[in-house]
Amino acid sequence: DVVMTQTPVSLSLAIGQPASISCKSSQSLVHSDGKTYLSWILQRPGQSPKRLIYLVSKLDSGVPDRFSGSGSETEFTLKISRVEAEDLGVYYCWQATHFPYTFGAGTKLELK
Amino acid sequence: VQLVESGGGLVQPGKSLKLSCSASGFTFSSYGMHWIRQAPGKGLDWVAYISSSSGTVYADAVKGRFTISRDNAKNTLYLQLNSLKSEDTAIYYCARRALSYWGQGVMVTVSS
Repeated sequence: DVVMTQTPVSLSLAIGQPASISCKSSQSLVHSDGKTYLSWILQRPGQSPKRLIYLVSKLDSGVPDRFSGSGSETEFTLKISRVEAEDLGVYYCWQATHFPYTFGAGTKLELK
Repeated sequence: VQLVESGGGLVQPGKSLKLSCSASGFTFSSYGMHWIRQAPGKGLDWVAYISSSSGTVYADAVKGRFTISRDNAKNTLYLQLNSLKSEDTAIYYCARRALSYWGQGVMVTVSS
């Protein structure tokens, strides 16, 4: 199975600070169709998860452009240019290139 | 798009339960669907996937015990949970292909 390793485990940031979350996969996430099926998911406290980014860097509709995704092969990064209060929660990376699909363990973003 | 899970509850170890996910707002038959679970206080855990043509894939932890299925006439996704174990206790979410939309989740508690 593909292991997704997220760092850090938690982040404590003030409003307006930048954030960066790393996700590393145990094997390349480039599919045989040439696409890289890496997504970022946010779960706010008490809510269902919500997808923010898919195919490494494509923002879902309604997601603020302070969020960005980058990376390739086995190393991926989620960045928030300036953290806002609504950004707190747990962020997960998820790979859908290889079965069984797998999530990272999550990164908890807390506000300082 | 709306996904509404039902069928959860308290069940004894070794028993069975069937979850449903009612879909609306999109052409259900055209999309693959997932079940994902989250144990209390833990991260997201991918469970199973069914394609639009009803091909299925499972996580190793549930293979042989859980069955994902769909009824396109009823716009409904199912998860049959057999031989339940305490470690299956979790909130179960259904989600549309690529996790673009999620339901609110349904709680399954396995305990004697």
